[in-house]
Amino acid sequence: GAVVSQHPSWVICKSGTSVKIECRSLDFQATTMFWYRQFPKQSLMLMATSNEGSKATYEQGVEKDKFLINHASLTLSTLTVTSAHPEDSSFYICSVSRTGTKNIQYFGAGTRLSVL
Amino acid sequence: DAKTTQPPSMDCAEGRAANLPCNHSTISGNEYVYWYRQIHSQGPQYIIHGLKNNETNEMASLIITEDRKSSTLILPHATLRDTAVYYCIVRAAGGTSYGKLTFGQGTILTVHP
Repeated sequence: GAVVSQHPSWVICKSGTSVKIECRSLDFQATTMFWYRQFPKQSLMLMATSNEGSKATYEQGVEKDKFLINHASLTLSTLTVTSAHPEDSSFYICSVSRTGTKNIQYFGAGTRLSVL
Repeated sequence: DAKTTQPPSMDCAEGRAANLPCNHSTISGNEYVYWYRQIHSQGPQYIIHGLKNNETNEMASLIITEDRKSSTLILPHATLRDTAVYYCIVRAAGGTSYGKLTFGQGTILTVHP
């Protein structure tokens, strides 16, 4: 069964609005979750590392004020795309890593964001 | 992290073995080789990983050369559902950047009837 649940799977929004994406670890507590973004015909790019109870660590070039990450519990991390614009349209994917599994990542099914 | 090189695409007949190569000539002694795959419009799926010994699980086999500079992922009996992008990633199992995965372009495997 699924280890990671991501919601919603698909969202369409108007330009200027904010969109929240949830990532839940179903089988274990995850102190660290990861957020990736994938544009069409491209590979996954890590956006940020979400740490439970502390601020997220963003990769170079990713605007932390635009992509707000909250990791309020050991099973839930959220990514909010604030003031979304058409160029933010992408496939957003979260993942969790289980302690002791030699860095094996379990990925969510992804969220397709389309900004009109 | 060590860089990996994979062919951009490969074809395989259904029922035959699919052998996907990966070069990682700059791999360090503490770095593992991980394989993931991504079926269209889904999140990546973990397949297998190894350090230096060959590994096998219910999905695939991983053959790592003795010098660890290359590896091959083997899907013993490919099915149409194995059509996906396959990513070879080299990564330390721990350390300060624990968990971060760097995805390259991968190999698009197409399994045909």
